[in-house]
This record gives sequence, C-alpha cells and structure tokens, in this order.
Amino acid sequence: AQTVTQSQPEMSVQEAETVTLSCTYDTSESDYYLFWYKQPPSRQMILVIRQEAYKQQNATENRFSVNFQKAAKSFSLKISDSQLGDAAMYFCAYRGGIGTASKLTFGTGTRLQVTL
Amino acid sequence: DTGVSQDPRHKITKRGQNVTFRCDPISEHNRLYWYRQTLGQGPEFLTYFQNEAQLEKSRLLSDRFSAERPKGSFSTLEIQRTEQGDSAMYLCASSLEYEGQPQHFGDGTRLSIL
Repeated sequence: AQTVTQSQPEMSVQEAETVTLSCTYDTSESDYYLFWYKQPPSRQMILVIRQEAYKQQNATENRFSVNFQKAAKSFSLKISDSQLGDAAMYFCAYRGGIGTASKLTFGTGTRLQVTL
Repeated sequence: DTGVSQDPRHKITKRGQNVTFRCDPISEHNRLYWYRQTLGQGPEFLTYFQNEAQLEKSRLLSDRFSAERPKGSFSTLEIQRTEQGDSAMYLCASSLEYEGQPQHFGDGTRLSIL
C-alpha cells in the first residue's frame, strides 16, 4: 500500500519570506500523480499544485512550486513571498496512475503559520 | 460554476441514531468520492463512484456505512447505529474521469456523536 509522510507537523514563516514543506511517499508504482492541497481553518480543501510522475519538470503555480525527486520519492512544496492568506494546513497526497485505485492517499499535514 | 456542495454542514446526534449526509458534485464530474477526516489527520478514503457504480470501498467502511449514487448525480452516505468513533468530518470530492484529474472538495459535514 502507498504511504505519504509529512514529517513537519508545524512550520512558521514570516510574511514575504520563503518556506518549504516536506513530503515523502512510498510506492512500487512507476506512474502516479502527486498533489498539494491547502485547508484553511473551517474551510474547504483547495488544490494548490499537481505533479505527474512521468514529467521531470517541476510544477509551478505562481508563488507555489515543487521539488519532485522521483528516485528519492520526495515531493516538497516551496511557497515564495509568503502571505497571511497562506496560513493553513497543507496536505500532500498521492494518486496511482492508469489502472490503479482512483483514491487519494494523504499525509498527516503540516500546519503553516505566517507571521508579520 | 458551482463547487461541490455538502449538506448538512454540522450534525449532532446521539449514539445509536442513524444519520444521512448528502453530496452534490460539480455537475460535469462523473467521479464522486467520500473521505473521513479526524482531528489532526489527513482525510482517509471511504468509497468512490463512477457515475452510479460504486467501484471501490475501503475496509474503513464497516457494515454500518452505506453510500449510494442512484442516478449518477448526487450521493448520500448513511451511518447506522452511530458510535462515538464515528465523530469526524466527512468530506465529499468529485472529479472528471480522466486519469490524474484533481479532486475538488466540498466544505464537509462535521458529525458529532453525543
């Protein structure tokens, strides 16, 4: 079974600074997808960024980028120019490729605090 | 473009009662998922539908849990004879059928068992 590990329960960053959230995963599959989701307090989970395992290029969405290391099974999220609105729980999630289970497997999350 | 809608937002009930939650997915999405999230944890998969067919169920989905999606549109999740351990946030998500498409989540239904 696939597992996703987020080893940082909490992180803190000052406004306008950069922070990196860590995620590692375990799988025997070669084709899969990885996601970062953001869950603000009492609000719905929102997709931040998505990475296909077959793509070597790291995904980027505005201030959010990933460092995808397939061999190391590592998928970290970098948030640049942090804003107060970035404060939330961040979940790393794994989904198998074609012909595998469609479900998402989530890590336990990292709570990000953004300070002035 | 409306998102995933869940009803109710909160449900408080006594142990042993039955509860039913509803999820309305994004209209063009034919896949619908249910997850359960307890405090301090990431969501855990319960079950998913493609159109009206329930294609996968987690071992977490005991006999007391049942989910339906009768016409391939909205879905219901019923919990019979609720137990204290059922207290959690129940999340619904939907996606397009194509592989790797992201799942879009609703606000969730928070269930509290007295």
